[in-house]
Amino acid sequence: GESVGLHLPTLSVQEGDNSIINCAYSNSASDYFIWYKQESGKGPQFIIDIRSNMDKRQGQRVTVLLNKTVKHLSLQIAATQPGDSAVYFCAERGSGNQFYFGTGTSLTVIP
Amino acid sequence: GAGVSQTPSNKVTEKGKYVELRCDPISGHTALYWYRQSLGQGPEFLIYFQGTGAADDSGLPNDRFFAVRPEGSVSTLKIQRTERGDSAVYLCASSLFGGPSSTDTQYFGPGTRLTVL
Repeated sequence: GESVGLHLPTLSVQEGDNSIINCAYSNSASDYFIWYKQESGKGPQFIIDIRSNMDKRQGQRVTVLLNKTVKHLSLQIAATQPGDSAVYFCAERGSGNQFYFGTGTSLTVIP
Repeated sequence: GAGVSQTPSNKVTEKGKYVELRCDPISGHTALYWYRQSLGQGPEFLIYFQGTGAADDSGLPNDRFFAVRPEGSVSTLKIQRTERGDSAVYLCASSLFGGPSSTDTQYFGPGTRLTVL
């Protein structure tokens, strides 16, 4: 099966600082990647996605970087806010349309 | 409805019992996904429907698990002879079209927390 993992299980940042969450994936054939945010008691919420033919994509306060050479994905959150506190998952699409999620990184924003 | 809904929100059952978990996707969404999430883990893919048919059920752990979507909207995940290891949050997601090349956003429901005693 696929293997998607995260380098750090927890991350604490000061409010207003930038956050970087990393993810390693194993399938070099994966063509599509997504970052999700999950708050306690809720389902994952889409943040941003990127296709494998891109190396960077920006959204509102978030940027995803894809390095296919080392099979690494990162999520950058600018000016982190208390509302950003949650668990963040990366997910990759396998063959067909299955999505494989990493273990998750718990982000805590310190006011 | 406004989003994906799942019922019940919590289900407690005894080992060996049969359970059904329901998912109501966003109206008009043709793709529907079931995932299982254990504590401290990311969601684990179970099955994906395109319309009424199961396009990929490779994630179902064994033949005790079965899912249907008879009219292409509501889906039911059925678990027979439940085991303690089945305890988890079962998540449902839907997207507009889905498909292997699709980048349609998957919208998740809040999940059903299943506890098998």
